[in-house]
Amino acid sequence: EAGVAQSPRYKIIEKRQSVAFWCNPISGHATLYWYQQILGQGPKLLIQFQNNGVVDDSQLPKDRFSAERLKGVDSTLKIQPAKLEDSAVYLCASSSLIDEQFFGPGTRLTVL
Amino acid sequence: GENVEQHPSTLSVQEGDSAVIKCTYSDSASNYFPWYKQELGKRPQLIIDIRSNVGEKKDQRIAVTLNKTAKHFSLHITETQPEDSAVYFCAATSMNTGFQKLVFGTGTRLLVSP
Repeated sequence: EAGVAQSPRYKIIEKRQSVAFWCNPISGHATLYWYQQILGQGPKLLIQFQNNGVVDDSQLPKDRFSAERLKGVDSTLKIQPAKLEDSAVYLCASSSLIDEQFFGPGTRLTVL
Repeated sequence: GENVEQHPSTLSVQEGDSAVIKCTYSDSASNYFPWYKQELGKRPQLIIDIRSNVGEKKDQRIAVTLNKTAKHFSLHITETQPEDSAVYFCAATSMNTGFQKLVFGTGTRLLVSP
């Protein structure tokens, strides 16, 4: 089966600019996750969707981050405006009703 | 909320030796414990997982043990090979808002020297 797709793979922006990431989960997976992975750390959950509804966004900096999952399939994560500390790899993952999560290749964001 | 601690942060072994990585968790309701391997610049990939109704699981050279009473679980890699070099993350489930999520440890960088 096709894996989780993400784009772009790399993005370099200046602070205060905006950026958006896209994720296409594995077909049929109801649950979609966005993680932030800062260099040398484990992935940190930003937001979790069940179909097109948000079930957990407790660690999402809502003053600058937003995410949506229209029609319960693709998802976009946006940062506006970006800060230096947002430099990280943004990983998207998906799962079916069972626990195993499948990760996409990630988007490496550098904020200058 | 759930907290997952992972040790050691780095581990260097000689090829053929065994490697053990340990994790502890805080949420007694956690019931699923996966281990992910992440090579440099690549996505995390599941290598083995265990559920709370099982004490041990093995898959070729890797095994995971779970002690629910002590709230800790461990990854064991035997006969290590250079291609085992990577960062390994443990994780545990945490229930919030009625849905399970994974909380990851901080990772262990394993280096296997030929």
